[in-house]
Amino acid sequence: SAVISQKPSRDICQRGTSLTIQCQVDSQVTMMFWYRQQPGQSLTLIATANQGSEATYESGFVIDKFPISRPNLTFSTLTVSNMSPEDSSIYLCSTGSGANVLTFGAGSRLTVL
Amino acid sequence: DAKTTQPPSMDCAEGRAANLPCNHSTISGNEYVYWYRQIHSQGPQYIIHGLKNNETNEMASLIITEDRKSSTLILPHATLRDTAVYYCIVSRASAGGTSYGKLTFGQGTILTVHP
Repeated sequence: SAVISQKPSRDICQRGTSLTIQCQVDSQVTMMFWYRQQPGQSLTLIATANQGSEATYESGFVIDKFPISRPNLTFSTLTVSNMSPEDSSIYLCSTGSGANVLTFGAGSRLTVL
Repeated sequence: DAKTTQPPSMDCAEGRAANLPCNHSTISGNEYVYWYRQIHSQGPQYIIHGLKNNETNEMASLIITEDRKSSTLILPHATLRDTAVYYCIVSRASAGGTSYGKLTFGQGTILTVHP
């Protein structure tokens, strides 16, 4: 299965700023997925990123808040814009190898003060 | 996707089998049962999945009842490193389909393996 690297692993940010999270996969993949895990909660899908097209966002998530780039088949970024303390979460990148067998990165833990 | 119900927590002694139950009474015919786990400070890890037959791999066994309304994940010889949150998820499995990548994670079962 694919190996996923995420950067940064953690960060502390000031409210009103933006942070870009990078996700690197060790093989070419068609689709990448971004999830959020709020403190003490389970995971929620933010969006699906397909190379060469606009990301598809789930209900409750919008492009202006979470812009996603997918410049090639091994890389994606998620930006958390105009951050507030409610954005404090772990953001996880994932991809699949068929069916719904997904591989996840270790996550990027974001704390907004 | 169908909803799943899992006990919030379970304990298991090291070396014993851990049997984690999951109810999915509204599962539809084309939905699979997936199990993932999340060890503290890591991303979720795929364990196993199945449609209606029992499945086994190097990590675990999955037993699905004949009516498919419930399942059990079995870790045959639990170790301390198996302490994690275990998620039972029901989803269609078609790669590239509209449900691809869209896993609905519930609260899962916190499994604690003790010495």
